Amino acid sequence: DQQVKQNSPSLSVQEGRISILNCDYTNSMFDYFLWYKKYPAEGPTFLISISSIKDKNEDGRFTVFLNKSAKHLSLHIVPSQPGDSAVYFCAASNSGGSNYKLTFGKGTLLTVNP
Amino acid sequence: EAQVTQNPRYLITVTGKKLTVTCSQNMNHEYMSWYRQDPGLGLRQIYYSMNVEVTDKGDVPEGYKVSRKEKRNFPLILESPSPNQTSLYFCASSGVYGEAFFGQGTRLTVV
Repeated sequence: DQQVKQNSPSLSVQEGRISILNCDYTNSMFDYFLWYKKYPAEGPTFLISISSIKDKNEDGRFTVFLNKSAKHLSLHIVPSQPGDSAVYFCAASNSGGSNYKLTFGKGTLLTVNP
Repeated sequence: EAQVTQNPRYLITVTGKKLTVTCSQNMNHEYMSWYRQDPGLGLRQIYYSMNVEVTDKGDVPEGYKVSRKEKRNFPLILESPSPNQTSLYFCASSGVYGEAFFGQGTRLTVV
């Protein structure tokens, strides 16, 4: 059973436009959500996170929105740049649990065209 | 510089030949874990460790062993590798807020 779902395997946008990456989760115990970016031949790097007590968190060009009632979060990148082209993983955890286990989605490949 | 270091980066081995992938972190994190990444499956946790001498299975532990004798090191051991363990492996360590820092990855091919 996939607890974190990224239903779009890929997304293509034009440079300067907005990129919106979506993520759904099923486990209501999840209360901390993260986005990771991964370039080929590198490990995933942390991008931005949000706690369930918030509905929005912003860091520069990156904003994450959380809709708890819908169990949905999204990552907005504005404006998109060619260097943002990468695989983006959504991850979730239960911070009240006994470990910091992250459950990942399958990833979305973002391509930003010049 | 804060980092997680894995070795080797690339490894080709034969079925049944024991191997170890090393992982070391310099952030004094208590929590460390191993993931494998496969096409269409994303990142799946193999094993994790809450602290020295405390390890537990993740989602896909079959065929793997780990040890945590020191806080900074968390090696992944394949006692008898099989072709279905051909994958890209990542070690990670996590701080207080659970934000995992990943190593560069080890691409393992078992023939």
